[in-house]
Parts: sequence; C-alpha cells; structure tokens
Amino acid sequence: DAKTTQPPSMDCAEGRAANLPCNHSTISGNEYVYWYRQIHSQGPQYIIHGLKNNETNEMASLIITEDRKSSTLILPHATLRDTAVYYCIVRVPGGGNKLTFGTGTQLKVEL
Amino acid sequence: EPEVTQTPSHQVTQMGQEVILRCVPISNHLYFYWYRQILGQKVEFLVSFYNNEISEKSEIFDDQFSVERPDGSNFTLKIRSTKLEDSAMYFCASTPSGSGELFFGEGSRLTVL
Repeated sequence: DAKTTQPPSMDCAEGRAANLPCNHSTISGNEYVYWYRQIHSQGPQYIIHGLKNNETNEMASLIITEDRKSSTLILPHATLRDTAVYYCIVRVPGGGNKLTFGTGTQLKVEL
Repeated sequence: EPEVTQTPSHQVTQMGQEVILRCVPISNHLYFYWYRQILGQKVEFLVSFYNNEISEKSEIFDDQFSVERPDGSNFTLKIRSTKLEDSAMYFCASTPSGSGELFFGEGSRLTVL
C-alpha cells in the first residue's frame, strides 16, 4: 500500500543540484513528509522532514507544494558520496509509529 | 556523535537454530525499532518498542520473533528457530521522541544455511 511514488532512478553530475521528486497525492492533513537515504547496504539515514512549509538543513532542502500532494528533495551540490537510494515517506506523528519504506529513487552522481 | 551500534555485523547459522541480534541504542532515546532488508528488496518494519513493551509489530514479526531490553542499554531481537527466508540484513533504530527522525545502526547480516 504505497503512499508515495518516486522515479526508480536518476542521474546527476557532481557539483550540480539533484532534485528528487515524490508524489504523495493521498497524504492526510496530519501526515509529515520524511526523506531518508540508504548508501549501499548501510542503515538508512535521516535527511529532512516537513509538514507544509519548506525546510532546509545542512544536508538538503525540502520543497512541499501548497496542496501537499508532492514534494522535492534538493541536494544543492551533489557529490559522489550522495550516490544512494532516496526514500520519500509519509508518516503520522507519534513515537511508536513506523516508517514504511518504498522502493525509493536510486540517485547516481557521476563526474 | 552518538550512534546506534549493532552486533554481530555478520552471523551465519544453520536452519532451526536460535539467533540473537544485539543493539545498543543511543543512550537518551526512548523508542526502539527493528527493521529488516532481504537482499535486493525493501526495508521492512518488524517491530517498535517503547516503555518496555511492543508498540506495534508487522505480520512478519510472528511467534518466532521476540524483542527484549534486558538491562536498560541493550535491545535484542531473538529468532527462535531460523528459516532460510530469515536471511537478511537486520537494522536496529532508535529515536528520542515521536518525531520520526530515526537513527539506524549499520545492520547485522544474518545468513541462514
């Protein structure tokens, strides 16, 4: 029961911005949008999350459309180390509430 | 920077044997999770744990699985009688609150022969 849709793969040149889209057209009013990434077979790594306002941290920016039906994760200056699978997840807040991972987008950053 | 640590990094076992995977969550965290990832497949939720009890578990987490926080620092996943299909990477995660910002360990690879 996927709640998000992401392209299976994307390429990006090193140093350029990587813009990863996510569709979550059935998102509920109290669900947040989370982004994680998984480098090779390592444990997933939290990147950023938001409810309706755009968010920025040291890793990335998150742009959420006004209707909240889609979002874009922006890595402003991608490096080779950003090559990973990126997961967009919607989640209701609450401590025990699980994250449900989909298949994500395989981002390949190339020279 | 504090991190979630998992042991062993890789365990090979025979089908039918019991396995215990260990995790040391970040010290001030209150919520704990186990996920697994079969090679080439999605990261799947197994169980969440808070205040010394299971908060939620998936269909995968059947009677063969159990979790425990025996001493206030370790968080363990036990598989009573392993099956071939239990071969996977098992990830432990923790979070201080309900924010959804989970900190994952590097995983324990379980191979069942």
